[in-house]
Amino acid sequence: GAVVSQHPSWVICKSGTSVKIECRSLDFQATTMFWYRQFPKQSLMLMATSNEGSKATYEQGVEKDKFLINHASLTLSTLTVTSAHPEDSSFYICSARLGYSGGATDTQYFGPGTRLTVL
Amino acid sequence: KQEVTQIPAALSVPEGENLVLNCSFTDSAIYNLQWFRQDPGKGLTSLLLIQSSQREQTSGRLNASLDKSSGRSTLYIAASQPGDSATYLCAVRGNDMRFGAGTRLTVKP
Repeated sequence: GAVVSQHPSWVICKSGTSVKIECRSLDFQATTMFWYRQFPKQSLMLMATSNEGSKATYEQGVEKDKFLINHASLTLSTLTVTSAHPEDSSFYICSARLGYSGGATDTQYFGPGTRLTVL
Repeated sequence: KQEVTQIPAALSVPEGENLVLNCSFTDSAIYNLQWFRQDPGKGLTSLLLIQSSQREQTSGRLNASLDKSSGRSTLYIAASQPGDSATYLCAVRGNDMRFGAGTRLTVKP
């Protein structure tokens, strides 16, 4: 089956630094990737939708200048948390969509997630 | 390694029926379990979150239960409507997050 990887699986950084998280579809091309985050004891929530070659679409309440998304190729999307602060500590997970929107093969495959801790 | 299974893979019901979706997982060491709805081409929409210490959660016509010891969760949808048609995913959060393959629900008018 289709595999999506994330790197790193966990990261600890100091407040004020930037952290980049990679999401890769290993054996398929994904025109669309999604980024989610889950704060402790809260639901996983969609942050943004990333389409290859175009600007990401952010959900309401998500700062696009703080969470930079780059989807430069059909197999890689990156999320950069700029000037991270302790309140950004969360579990970040990506998914890659295989297939055409609404089609029988419209399936999302999820990465295992990245746990970010900002000190 | 956590494995999450959803049964059935697809379900078609007439409008108004009550229905149950099933999710099972192999490792009971979890933090929480979530049920999501996926519409074609869209990101996931969170429906219900059950913490590992909880047994059930309710939201409107939806009720989700969790039996951690047996590795099972159910999503109950009451009085189904055509607008409920979507793919429903369960996800188990341990050290990472594992998703089931989903149940594709069709509610016919």
